[in-house]
Amino acid sequence: DTGVSQNPRHKITKRGQNVTFRCDPISEHNRLYWYRQTLGQGPEFLTYFQNEAQLEKSRLLSDRFSAERPKGSFSTLEIQRTEQGDSAMYLCASRQDTGNTIYFGEGSWLTVV
Amino acid sequence: AQSVTQLGSHVSVSEGALVLLRCNYSSSVPPYLFWYVQYPNQGLQLLLKYTSAATLVKGINGFEAEFKKSETSFHLTKPSAHMSDAAEYFCAVSEADTGGFKTIFGAGTRLFVKA
Repeated sequence: DTGVSQNPRHKITKRGQNVTFRCDPISEHNRLYWYRQTLGQGPEFLTYFQNEAQLEKSRLLSDRFSAERPKGSFSTLEIQRTEQGDSAMYLCASRQDTGNTIYFGEGSWLTVV
Repeated sequence: AQSVTQLGSHVSVSEGALVLLRCNYSSSVPPYLFWYVQYPNQGLQLLLKYTSAATLVKGINGFEAEFKKSETSFHLTKPSAHMSDAAEYFCAVSEADTGGFKTIFGAGTRLFVKA
């Protein structure tokens, strides 16, 4: 059973550039979550999907952020016109419809310089 | 809305000593409670969870936690710390009837283990 897979693991980008992260959830997990974690803080909820439907978005998700899950399998998180404040680790997690636990990937570190 | 408070951003213990990491939660309905561990530059790994069954929950690596409804607490303990336990620990809460079963995390407690 493979876990949640995220890539790239690390991304350094210049301010103003666009970046995209990909998440492959655990097979047969219909629910997929994105979180953001900054140094010294716990993960903060950004958004979640049930299959391909994006059902909730946090106020943290500004209009520069967009997440998709077009076929209900993998998901992408795109950040447009990156700012230094976007520097963080972006975590993806998934769970089964009938499950009560979310399982995390290794995270994608973003550094905006 | 649910929330989590972890008391103490840093805890330091000697190897072999008791580990106690404190967590208090707020929830309008019976919660599901979790402890996750995070090692440097890695994602979060589930240590244990409470889902309304036994109030004393045992997890991996010798950790356990006790759900106390009257105190709204879910403290994490381990009888004897090991150097490999040094990491960041996060307490989290979910409400089953919240749309999406959103999980909310505390700010974390960093555990240091001294030789």
